Amino acid sequence: ETGVTQSPTHLIKTRGQQVTLRCSSQSGHNTVSWYQQALGQGPQFIFQYYREEENGRGNFPPRFSGLQFPNYSSELNVNALELDDSALYLCASSRGSLAGGANEQFFGPGTRLTVL
Amino acid sequence: AQSVTQLDSHVSVSEGTPVLLRCNYSSSYSPSLFWYVQHPNKGLQLLLKYTSAATLVKGINGFEAEFKKSETSFHLTKPSAHMSDAAEYFCVVSDQSRDDKIIFGKGTRLHILP
Repeated sequence: ETGVTQSPTHLIKTRGQQVTLRCSSQSGHNTVSWYQQALGQGPQFIFQYYREEENGRGNFPPRFSGLQFPNYSSELNVNALELDDSALYLCASSRGSLAGGANEQFFGPGTRLTVL
Repeated sequence: AQSVTQLDSHVSVSEGTPVLLRCNYSSSYSPSLFWYVQHPNKGLQLLLKYTSAATLVKGINGFEAEFKKSETSFHLTKPSAHMSDAAEYFCVVSDQSRDDKIIFGKGTRLHILP
């Protein structure tokens, strides 16, 4: 069973640029959630995708957007980067359903984004 | 609104002594509650979860947590700390009926003294 993988591991961008982060979900998982973890803080929920549709969103502006593909891998896109976007971005996959239920999430190692 | 408060940002215990990491939650629904651990430069790992079954939940590595609805608490305990337990611990509340589905606490850094 392959775990959750994320790419790239590190990324440096400048203010105003755009970035795309990628996540491959664990085999058999149809749900992907993205989190932002600033230094010294807990992860903050950005959004969740279930079967290619956005299925919940935290308090993040629209310049944070995402996609989920038919193979359930996912992308996080951030436009117009700001200095405060510097953080560890975590992806987690799980087996979900529209009926809900809190299934265990399996986390990837994260992508460290630095905005200069 | 749902929220989770970890009452201590840092906890230090001696090796072999009990561990208590405190967590209080707020949710308008019957939430699911989790504890995750994050070792330095490693990914988040699930320790245990509560999903409205038994109120005393046993997890990996000897950890357990008790759900107390009357106190809105979900404290994490371990009878005897080991050096390898040194890490950051996160309490998480999840309500899949909400748009902001999953809320992490700010974390508790556990230090183990030799």
